[in-house]
Amino acid sequence: SQQGEEDPQALSIQEGENATMNCSYKTSINNLQWYRQNSGRGLVHLILIRSNEREKHSGRLRVTLDTSKKSSSLLITASRAADTASYFCATEPNRDDKIIFGKGTRLHILP
Amino acid sequence: ETGVTQTPRHLVMGMTNKKSLKCEQHLGHNAMYWYKQSAKKPLELMFVYNFKEQTENNSVPSRFSPECPNSSHLFLHLHTLQPEDSALYLCASSQDAGATEKLFFGSGTQLSVL
Repeated sequence: SQQGEEDPQALSIQEGENATMNCSYKTSINNLQWYRQNSGRGLVHLILIRSNEREKHSGRLRVTLDTSKKSSSLLITASRAADTASYFCATEPNRDDKIIFGKGTRLHILP
Repeated sequence: ETGVTQTPRHLVMGMTNKKSLKCEQHLGHNAMYWYKQSAKKPLELMFVYNFKEQTENNSVPSRFSPECPNSSHLFLHLHTLQPEDSALYLCASSQDAGATEKLFFGSGTQLSVL
């Protein structure tokens, strides 16, 4: 069964606006990662947040983690055309030393 | 550039063909992975190699045969594939195997099976 699930499946916003994507998961985790994938390319690691962390920043990215709700959010501020991509969350369930990816959110930044 | 190179970028093959996908990493990592990405499905882990030893085979059909001659190179040998095997095949590496590791991905091989 799928561990992480991103929401929404697709998102279109105007350039300059903020984009928020969410990830929900089912079992306890040790950490959660976010990756970006441009069309037809490989995934690029964005940020890792550990289960004892609540918030993490990297440039225009802000990730939050709520372990009580089993959810995480990725906020991209002041979006740019280059942010158009698919965004995936990846979780590591406590009892399984594997990274499980969700289906992703397709983000489209409109000029 | 992520330091992980995959060839070829695109591959079209018939169901009776034999072909191989190649992956090379220049990062000095010890772990390498094959993932399959199909439309509208989550990324599927296929194989994991750590220090050249296979540590994970995620119930992959035998028509996919991995080979890891050293920590820098990973191959995926394909034979008698089915049309449903058409997908983007991604190679990744990490410093060590383990789910706390950051993965570095190649650009993938887009495979079409006719």
